Amino acid sequence: AQSVSQHNHHVILSEAASLELGCNYSYGGTVNLFWYVQYPGQHLQLLLKYFSGDPLVKGIKGFEAEFIKSKFSFNLRKPSVQWSDTAEYFCAVTSSTGGFKTIFGAGTRLFVKA
Amino acid sequence: DSGVTQTPKHLITATGQRVTLRCSPRSGDLSVYWYQQSLDQGLQFLIQYYNGEERAKGNILERFSAQQFPDLHSELNLSSLELGDSALYFCASSGMTSSYNEQFFGPGTRLTVL
Repeated sequence: AQSVSQHNHHVILSEAASLELGCNYSYGGTVNLFWYVQYPGQHLQLLLKYFSGDPLVKGIKGFEAEFIKSKFSFNLRKPSVQWSDTAEYFCAVTSSTGGFKTIFGAGTRLFVKA
Repeated sequence: DSGVTQTPKHLITATGQRVTLRCSPRSGDLSVYWYQQSLDQGLQFLIQYYNGEERAKGNILERFSAQQFPDLHSELNLSSLELGDSALYFCASSGMTSSYNEQFFGPGTRLTVL
């Protein structure tokens, strides 16, 4: 079955620490990949997306993600987190073999200590 | 503000009842998606409509149904409610046929079933 796995459910970091959140998917075919963020009490919003081209994608607020096709991964990174990055992060995938569904990972809750 | 509106913001009802959640997509978006977010299940895709037609179906229960009207707003109907249906229900919209494009999420409707 098609699935999206986020390895870390909870992450606690201090400000200025580096962040890497893992995301793996099990789709075949052409994939489109997304990272969404949900700040406390708010709706989901897009951080970044990959459709094609350069596998290193830069998003808003200093986030970036790298698509590694051979590893079926799309990990999210940020060199130096801030307290305001405290939020839940969702990886999402659509694929040519998945119809029109977007499958979300379970989410990773990030807490950044000031 | 994503441009997607959802009403009501909060809904409290009893088991066995029926409720209707409403969503207005961003201006110009033809696709509407419904998601359920709960603590134990995470973010689950329910159903997608494109220009009034059902496009994709996810983990939507038979007790739930949805439709998209000619003015493109959508309604999600939940019937014979159970305690486990308590969750945050998100609507999202996008501008193209497939969900390969970015989805814009509404603020959600928090449903509490007592």
